[in-house]
Amino acid sequence: EPEVTQTPSHQVTQMGQEVILRCVPISNHLYFYWYRQILGQKVEFLVSFYNNEISEKSEIFDDQFSVERPDGSNFTLKIRSTKLEDSAMYFCASRADRRTRVFGPGTRLTVT
Amino acid sequence: SQQGEEDPQALSIQEGENATMNCSYKTSINNLQWYRQNSGRGLVHLILIRSNEREKHSGRLRVTLDTSKKSSSLLITASRAADTASYFCATDSGGSQGNLIFGKGTKLSVKP
Repeated sequence: EPEVTQTPSHQVTQMGQEVILRCVPISNHLYFYWYRQILGQKVEFLVSFYNNEISEKSEIFDDQFSVERPDGSNFTLKIRSTKLEDSAMYFCASRADRRTRVFGPGTRLTVT
Repeated sequence: SQQGEEDPQALSIQEGENATMNCSYKTSINNLQWYRQNSGRGLVHLILIRSNEREKHSGRLRVTLDTSKKSSSLLITASRAADTASYFCATDSGGSQGNLIFGKGTKLSVKP
């Protein structure tokens, strides 16, 4: 069964550093998402992406965040200057039209 | 903003018993979805119920939706130790992008 993959599974970085989290959505999906989950808390929507542009973003997704689909397969989330409070699990998801989202396994980001 | 809130926050039962988890939300929805998350892992989609449906079954799962009360329940029958996980409801308000809003989840522990 097709799946969404994410790399790395765990990323440790120092405060102020830039990180790029990578996702490979399912190949025929059209909509892409990033969510995050701070330890022990709810899953929060960050951004949705369709037709090579951001279609919706939350208050969390400020100027420090950006997304890109640099080629036909990867979908990346960049955090320009990480803060301690960015430590969380980051989930990528994709969906085809009118179908449910398929989530990736997540990347655990630890900012020290 | 709409928000799924599950209760109870934690539920501990014996194998073979049924587990019922509830979810309430605040605004109108297009559909409501339930997800499962094993500790530290990704989100697995379990079942989707549309706003015009009242009940849906999938294997040992039964979901109900009461749009007048803005609530849903997830019933797992004949639970197994492998059902131990966190369960989240997520509401979809529809629209072209269909952003999901997650609740805080119910942590289910099934003791063998």
